[in-house]
Amino acid sequence: GENVEQHPSTLSVQEGDSAVIKCTYSDSASNYFPWYKQELGKRPQLIIDIRSNVGEKKDQRIAVTLNKTAKHFSLHITETQPEDSAVYFCAASSRYNQGGKLIFGQGTELSVKP
Amino acid sequence: DAGVIQSPRHEVTEMGQEVTLRCKPISGHNSLFWYRQTMMRGLELLIYFNNNVPIDDSGMPEDRFSAKMPNASFSTLKIQPSEPRDSAVYFCASSRRDLEEKLFFGSGTQLSVL
Repeated sequence: GENVEQHPSTLSVQEGDSAVIKCTYSDSASNYFPWYKQELGKRPQLIIDIRSNVGEKKDQRIAVTLNKTAKHFSLHITETQPEDSAVYFCAASSRYNQGGKLIFGQGTELSVKP
Repeated sequence: DAGVIQSPRHEVTEMGQEVTLRCKPISGHNSLFWYRQTMMRGLELLIYFNNNVPIDDSGMPEDRFSAKMPNASFSTLKIQPSEPRDSAVYFCASSRRDLEEKLFFGSGTQLSVL
């Protein structure tokens, strides 16, 4: 079955710097890769997702890149702000739009220092 | 739409007691997932349903755990008997696979087994 590895487990940056979180997946059939942000005591919320037919996707200060050959994908946050501080989870799924399951990485705790 | 609704928000019980967690997915969604979140294991997939049918329960820890989805608007996760190691946050999530793949989470149930 699918296995998703995420690193680093913790990341501390200064406000205004960039942050990069990386994930690898094991199932070469995986074709859907969402990223979730979870603030303390709250539910995970989708911030961006990418499908395997796209190599990169951007939404304002957030971007995700996908390397299907190497089976890894990354989240990039530019111009970080204190409100970006949270736990970020990557996930992967094969045949997601046909009913496959979504497996999450272990999470990265991002701390943005003002 | 009210989103995915879970109840109770908090549950404190004694070891050996039966615990029932409830979930109402977003109207029109045809997939429902139960995840468990702990510091050690992150977000673990326990079981998921497509069109009310259990598809994969390989994540259910042991026979003490069971889940049902009697109709499209209701699901339960039951633990009987409960043990202290079951203490965690249990999230329910739903999605509409064929139209919009995004997974939406409920607020979670914080379970403490004493």
